[in-house]
Amino acid sequence: DAGITQSPRHKVTETGTPVTLRCHQTENHRYMYWYRQDPGHGLRLIHYSYGVKDTDKGEVSDGYSVSRSKTEDFLLTLESATSSQTSVYFCAISEEGEAYEQYFGPGTRLTVT
Amino acid sequence: AQTVTQSQPEMSVQEAETVTLSCTYDTSESNYYLFWYKQPPSRQMILVIRQEAYKQQNATENRFSVNFQKAAKSFSLKISDSQLGDTAMYFCAFMNLGDNAGNMLTFGGGTRLMVKP
Repeated sequence: DAGITQSPRHKVTETGTPVTLRCHQTENHRYMYWYRQDPGHGLRLIHYSYGVKDTDKGEVSDGYSVSRSKTEDFLLTLESATSSQTSVYFCAISEEGEAYEQYFGPGTRLTVT
Repeated sequence: AQTVTQSQPEMSVQEAETVTLSCTYDTSESNYYLFWYKQPPSRQMILVIRQEAYKQQNATENRFSVNFQKAAKSFSLKISDSQLGDTAMYFCAFMNLGDNAGNMLTFGGGTRLMVKP
């Protein structure tokens, strides 16, 4: 299994509070991604990174920011959490030359009350 | 932008039988990959099979095979000899390989498959 961890695995927070989710990899892969999973929508891309300090927006980026100061860590921040951000968040990594397979972390279940 | 549609929210199959999950996609790109991912109750996303758009031959992985119809933009997954462990959500996904595309995945809404004993 690819070395990807996410922390925390579960979190309950209140509306209006900032939240940071962490994705950590030990594979030295170039690309890192944050997706959210909601019923009926599959997984949707929030932000991705193609290198240290290089990030770009995905399909559902509003209300989220990211940072990548080291190859191994990709942080997702909810600046002011809302109930619509209650979801399961997945981090993924990939590397060119590996048939473009993305390896997924175990997911973080976030509940905003 | 790409879209991926899975028209079967839920399906069931008897153990040892064959089942086909449907997926259609819409894109103007010519260079792309298609994937099927499995998500069992553990929530872990597991790659089942992939198909490169420029390859005409359908991909196979043991009991899993695809029917890739590029002109029709269809990418169905066939599971043969279904096993109880195949019970899961299955997601079809598209990856544009164009310049600056970021190798992002666009997912369909998923099909929940239940294998019955």
